[in-house]
This record gives sequence, structure tokens and C-alpha cells, in this order.
Amino acid sequence: GAGVSQSPRYKVAKRGQDVALRCDPISGHVSLFWYQQALGQGPEFLTYFQNEAQLDKSGLPSDRFFAERPEGSVSTLKIQRTQQEDSAVYLCASSSATGGASYNSPLHFGNGTRLTVT
Amino acid sequence: RKEVEQDPGPFNVPEGATVAFNCTYSNSASQSFFWYRQDCRKEPKLLMSVYSSGNEDGRFTAQLNRASQYISLLIRDSKLSDSATYLCVVNGDSWGKLQFGAGTQVVVTP
Repeated sequence: GAGVSQSPRYKVAKRGQDVALRCDPISGHVSLFWYQQALGQGPEFLTYFQNEAQLDKSGLPSDRFFAERPEGSVSTLKIQRTQQEDSAVYLCASSSATGGASYNSPLHFGNGTRLTVT
Repeated sequence: RKEVEQDPGPFNVPEGATVAFNCTYSNSASQSFFWYRQDCRKEPKLLMSVYSSGNEDGRFTAQLNRASQYISLLIRDSKLSDSATYLCVVNGDSWGKLQFGAGTQVVVTP
């Protein structure tokens, strides 16, 4: 594909429901990131994958958040028992660099999933 | 204290004027620096990388001051289409994890 693709574009969940957000990175991109962006804030790092390995999950806010990338391409971010404070835009980004992003291999973002928990 | 801090603005700029703003970062070991642009309800997009010697891309000039740990962005001859939020981005970890500031809003007025 031409860019990073995320689905769904919008998701409304009742408090307590589980949700799954999908990210399809640029083909061949090794690094994949998930960010959370609250209204009026910059993106906050959640987790990072290098191929199928989750190398950093230090930004996941609680054990209700879980991410996977089993075959090193598509990734899913799952949020269990959603709470109102989980309402945000979830951004996925990919890079061709190993070890994150660099001058030669910047991040490319998808257009995000806007999650609203009611 | 956040690792990357920006003045949220808004900076209200008449069309054709020059605007400049800074971003400070706390990790002295940071190696890579970027400015991203984010339009309302859109994803961030890379505007330009920031190199040690400073660099220019058309009407945009970026500078890095390692001693004082800040980067700057200057926009000359502002266009209406420059209205956006500008995100300062710094790699905050040894493996290249990018940390974002909260953004500086720029509003260019006719």
C-alpha cells in the first residue's frame, strides 16, 4: 500500500467493552509504533515493535492495553474493559529503520483511530 | 517535567510575516530532532529534520542549540496554508524512540 492504513477510522465503545484497533504499516517497514493523542496534546508513545518483537511497551498506560504484531507486518492494539479516560486518537506509525526512526528513515503516520468511550 | 516542551501558542501571524518559536528538550543524549506539522483532525506529517548545523527548506529554517537543549523553527513569508500545529520531536531513548511535544499552534491571518 501507499501509506500506513488504520481501521476503524472511528470507534465508539461503551465503558467496559473491549476494542481492537488495526494498523497496516507501509510494506517492508521494520519498525512500528503506537501513539495515543488526547485532545490538544502531542502524541504520547505507547509501544514499539521491531518486526514481530515488541521491544518497548513502557508507554502502555495499564495492563488493559495489549499490542501484538505476530507476523511482523499488521499490528493490533487491544484495549480491554475500556474506560472514559481511554478516549483519544490512536496513531500508528512505521519506519524503515531498525531501531526506531532516523534522519534517513522518518516516521510515517496513519490517519488514526478516534476512540470514544461512553 | 515533560521531556519535550513547547509554547502552545497560538501565534497569530499576519500573512507575509515571519514567525519563530522554540522547543526545549531534557535528554542531553538525544541525537535526532524533527519538526512535524499536524493539521486539525489529521495525522502528523514530517516537515523537516533538524541538523546540528541548522538547515533550511524553502521558507522554513530549523536550528539546533545543543548547549541550551533547544530547537527552533522559523517560517518566513507566512502563507495562510501554514496555519497548523507544529510538533517538536526528539529521540528520547537509545533506540530511537521519538518523543513529541504538545505542539505550537500557528494561525496565519489575511
